[in-house]
Amino acid sequence: GNSVTQMEGPVTLSEEAFLTINCTYTATGYPSLFWYVQYPGEGLQLLLKATKADDKGSNKGFEATYRKETTSFHLEKGSVQVSDSAVYFCALRSGQGAQKLVFGQGTRLTINP
Amino acid sequence: GAVVSQHPSWVICKSGTSVKIECRSLDFQATTMFWYRQFPKQSLMLMATSNEGSKATYEQGVEKDKFLINHASLTLSTLTVTSAHPEDSSFYICSRTGGGGETQYFGPGTRLLVL
Repeated sequence: GNSVTQMEGPVTLSEEAFLTINCTYTATGYPSLFWYVQYPGEGLQLLLKATKADDKGSNKGFEATYRKETTSFHLEKGSVQVSDSAVYFCALRSGQGAQKLVFGQGTRLTINP
Repeated sequence: GAVVSQHPSWVICKSGTSVKIECRSLDFQATTMFWYRQFPKQSLMLMATSNEGSKATYEQGVEKDKFLINHASLTLSTLTVTSAHPEDSSFYICSRTGGGGETQYFGPGTRLLVL
């Protein structure tokens, strides 16, 4: 079945550090890939997405590239800010399903000033 | 602003009682909504797909008689945890898709504690 594996957290960085959160997936067919972010006290929000191989999703300085050969969708940001502190979820939506999302376990990120 | 709301945001109940959680789509008529459950430090697990005007579709292993879902209108889906027990304590989150079906919009979640 479909599954998503994220690097375990928590991750703690200093402001302006480089961020990578690893995400790999297992899926049949050609899934769409997503990163969602959950800020404290809020619901999950879509951060970025990619729908086919080699696509790069980007938003708010974050980027992730859909790598079919390594079945990965790692999240990166060149210079993190305190306001980036949140829980990040990698997810996939199989093309075969309706609109169901399969999530990774989430990675809690804390940025210290 | 928020496009999906949930009520209540948290609830404490006694074992054996039933609890109803509401999920509202604030800006879109949603024929399909989703209910997830999130355990501490774990991922969101899809429980069921709520379909307006018809029966919900439950994921494997989810007891449909335990978790009753009603999607009576295009803006409201409810999840009722019947005869709740401490193991039902969790964070319950609903979502809806956007017009194109690609993106999901999530509610802020409801934390349930069963004593």
